[in-house]
Amino acid sequence: DARVTQTPRHKVTEMGQEVTMRCQPILGHNTVFWYRQTMMQGLELLAYFRNRAPLDDSGMPKDRFSAEMPDATLATLKIQPSEPRDSAVYFCASGWGQGFSNQPQHFGDGTRLSIL
Amino acid sequence: ELKVEQNPLFLSMQEGKNYTIYCNYSTTSDRLYWYRQDPGKSLESLFVLLSNGAVKQEGRLMASLDTKARLSTLHITAAVHDLSATYFCAVDGYSGAGSYQLTFGKGTKLSVIP
Repeated sequence: DARVTQTPRHKVTEMGQEVTMRCQPILGHNTVFWYRQTMMQGLELLAYFRNRAPLDDSGMPKDRFSAEMPDATLATLKIQPSEPRDSAVYFCASGWGQGFSNQPQHFGDGTRLSIL
Repeated sequence: ELKVEQNPLFLSMQEGKNYTIYCNYSTTSDRLYWYRQDPGKSLESLFVLLSNGAVKQEGRLMASLDTKARLSTLHITAAVHDLSATYFCAVDGYSGAGSYQLTFGKGTKLSVIP
């Protein structure tokens, strides 16, 4: 089965450190989404790309977060500097089509991030 | 801004019973998705509902969509323990920030007890 692959699965680091999370979307999918999940806020869309172009990053704190797709097989989400409030599970999902198509998004297993 | 509300947020039900989870949303949309999440795991797609009156069934779960009422339901029939999980609905709609987004409800945590 094709899967969205996220690395690392777990990350524990100290406040102020740079964190980079990576995502390999399913081959052939042209949209990639980054979500953050916390108990308090639930699932929040941070950013998404279509055909590698960023379409919407309005959910992302711009001063410390950045998202890129250097090529069709890799999406990255960086936090610099990290803060304890960034602790969450970060999911990447990929899909196909214009916008949110008739097919569901496929989610990766997530990166569990803890900022001490 | 698109808002998606699920209720109940917590549901404890006995095996063999029936129950319905509700998903209301605030703006026009004709795409609604249901996902399941087990503790510590990823989200798994259950249903994609694409038009008014759409009904889909898989095993003991049945989902429906009423776009006029802006309401989707996830009905559980004769619950079994394996259905214990958190269920999310998500709606494709205009975010109000210049783009279309998939907005998730808070989730319904279902516990099926013997």
